[in-house]
Amino acid sequence: GQQVMQIPQYQHVQEGEDFTTYCNSSTTLSNIQWYKQRPGGHPVFLIQLVKSGEVKKQKRLTFQFGEAKKNSSLHITATQTTDVGTYFCAGPKTSYDKVIFGPGTSLSVIP
Amino acid sequence: DAGVIQSPRHEVTEMGQEVTLRCKPISGHDYLFWYRQTMMRGLELLIYFNNNVPIDDSGMPEDRFSAKMPNASFSTLKIQPSEPRDSAVYFCASSLRQGAYEQYFGPGTRLTVT
Repeated sequence: GQQVMQIPQYQHVQEGEDFTTYCNSSTTLSNIQWYKQRPGGHPVFLIQLVKSGEVKKQKRLTFQFGEAKKNSSLHITATQTTDVGTYFCAGPKTSYDKVIFGPGTSLSVIP
Repeated sequence: DAGVIQSPRHEVTEMGQEVTLRCKPISGHDYLFWYRQTMMRGLELLIYFNNNVPIDDSGMPEDRFSAKMPNASFSTLKIQPSEPRDSAVYFCASSLRQGAYEQYFGPGTRLTVT
């Protein structure tokens, strides 16, 4: 079945450093979604990418969807303590399939 | 809209007891999902409904778990009998459609089975 992997599992950074998490799917995805879960909270939708090679930015966050639509990345520039949490990627094989979540990357930011 | 509503927020019960978790999805959303989250297994999809009909329950761990959606605004996840290994945070989520639409998660129910 479809599998979605993320690396790294954990990342500790000094405040101000950059951070990147990578997402890889065993199958082509129709779209990729990113969610953020703060400690003690629930996953919250951040963004969706649909097109091959698409890049979207949200302030200090840059999201990229690979050309083959099987991988994606999230890059945070100059991390802040508010970036702490677990970042999940998720995607379906087609727009009619269920969304499969990756295991998440847990980010800690040291002030 | 108030978002996805779940109750209770915390549940502590003894092994062998029945546990019922409740969820009210966002009005107008056709899909409802039940997830379980633990440190060991991460976020697992248990079951999801489309227009109140269960579509995929392949993630339900065993017969002790059951889920219903009697109408568009209410769903339950029942565990009977509960076991300590069921301790987890259970999330309900809803979305407008399948696949191409984002999911809105509720605040979760933290279940502890002693």
